[in-house]
Amino acid sequence: GESVGLHLPTLSVQEGDNSIINCAYSNSASDYFIWYKQESGKGPQFIIDIRSNMDKRQGQRVTVLLNKTVKHLSLQIAATQPGDSAVYFCAEKSQNFNKFYFGSGTKLNVKP
Amino acid sequence: EAQVTQNPRYLITVTGKKLTVTCSQNMNHEYMSWYRQDPGLGLRQIYYSMNVEVTDKGDVPEGYKVSRKEKRNFPLILESPSPNQTSLYFCASSALLGQAAAYTFGSGTRLTVV
Repeated sequence: GESVGLHLPTLSVQEGDNSIINCAYSNSASDYFIWYKQESGKGPQFIIDIRSNMDKRQGQRVTVLLNKTVKHLSLQIAATQPGDSAVYFCAEKSQNFNKFYFGSGTKLNVKP
Repeated sequence: EAQVTQNPRYLITVTGKKLTVTCSQNMNHEYMSWYRQDPGLGLRQIYYSMNVEVTDKGDVPEGYKVSRKEKRNFPLILESPSPNQTSLYFCASSALLGQAAAYTFGSGTRLTVV
């Protein structure tokens, strides 16, 4: 598979536990945020997004929290499964600049 | 199935030999973009296109060219590849980047330049 996980911070969790992956963003003008999941050998896949007028959004087993005061984004995965093992990274977009900036990612390792 | 298709998946080439990586999307997206992904650096934008015949430089455009003659295709051209262009490349497309629209990514092209 592709070696995109080198030199990344790693989070190891036990199967069935909840996972929290954090992301700090830099631009206070960013108004749209996305979490992506990248499995080995594959392209990034959309998980969940949130606009800056919200502070929480829930999907299936995933929740994204946005704290604009400290420019912090988190992804919570409930009842983590082995299939959740991947690299997760956040992306931010500014209305002003019309482009995405991506974080370098966190590797999630789910232990059976 | 809605998707972004890149070819080839893997490519090993020699310094200076021109190559093209193709990208095609079937979602009628206006916006397309090329990224390279290197360990510890995340995704960095090479070039993007807002629509047919409209392209612009991203953050790391040196050594690359693109074209957008048709809405569905956005090839990446390396006129004279060098070893520092060894990387994992992703093509992505999106409906309207001006709104809250997420990218759909291709599966990637692993390029090695020796």
